[in-house]
Amino acid sequence: AQTIHQWPVAEIKAVGSPLSLGCTIKGKSSPNLYWYWQATGGTLQQLFYSITVGQVESVVQLNLSASRPKDDQFILSTEKLLLSHSGFYLCAWSLGQGERLFFGHGTKLSVL
Amino acid sequence: GDSVTQKQGQVTLSEDDFLFINCTYSTTTYPTLLWYVQYLGQGPQLLLKVTTANNKGISRGFEATYDKGTTSFHLQKASVQESDSAVYFCALVDRGSALGRLHFGAGTQLIVIP
Repeated sequence: AQTIHQWPVAEIKAVGSPLSLGCTIKGKSSPNLYWYWQATGGTLQQLFYSITVGQVESVVQLNLSASRPKDDQFILSTEKLLLSHSGFYLCAWSLGQGERLFFGHGTKLSVL
Repeated sequence: GDSVTQKQGQVTLSEDDFLFINCTYSTTTYPTLLWYVQYLGQGPQLLLKVTTANNKGISRGFEATYDKGTTSFHLQKASVQESDSAVYFCALVDRGSALGRLHFGAGTQLIVIP
């Protein structure tokens, strides 16, 4: 069975501090991977997607970056957090066209 | 570009009430329309899919019907239960984007009172 694990579950960070969020997918070979951001009570905004190791495409510019160092790992990071980065970050995977996305449980980020 | 509009921010019902959530879309291609559900503390999960081929999707007692004339696809359920309390998102598959990017609506929070 496929599993998706996100870490950490929650983070409280100061403005200007760095951030690294992680996501691991087990049980699927070469999935498409995605990072989504969700403001509190808001919609889902795709941030990045990756089709293969080492290749990441940015969808929106939010002073964040993403990397895929392994087939099953997706990392979201920034060197300097902004207040506007607060929200819920969701990692997801799919096979083929991304109609059916399988989301992780997410990381709640609070920037103070 | 492709977009969806979901205006109902919150719906509060009692158990066994009828649920109706509307969503409208805009696209230049044939639409593939989805409903996702997000339970508290979890990521969203696909509830059902509607295409121009089938015009209707059914899953777990929920039904979604697509209307090309009004470019809408609404979600309904005859009798909601407390366990249906969640946030419901409609989504449109953007066929012109890489990997068929999903455009999500704003979400409708359903609260079912026992």
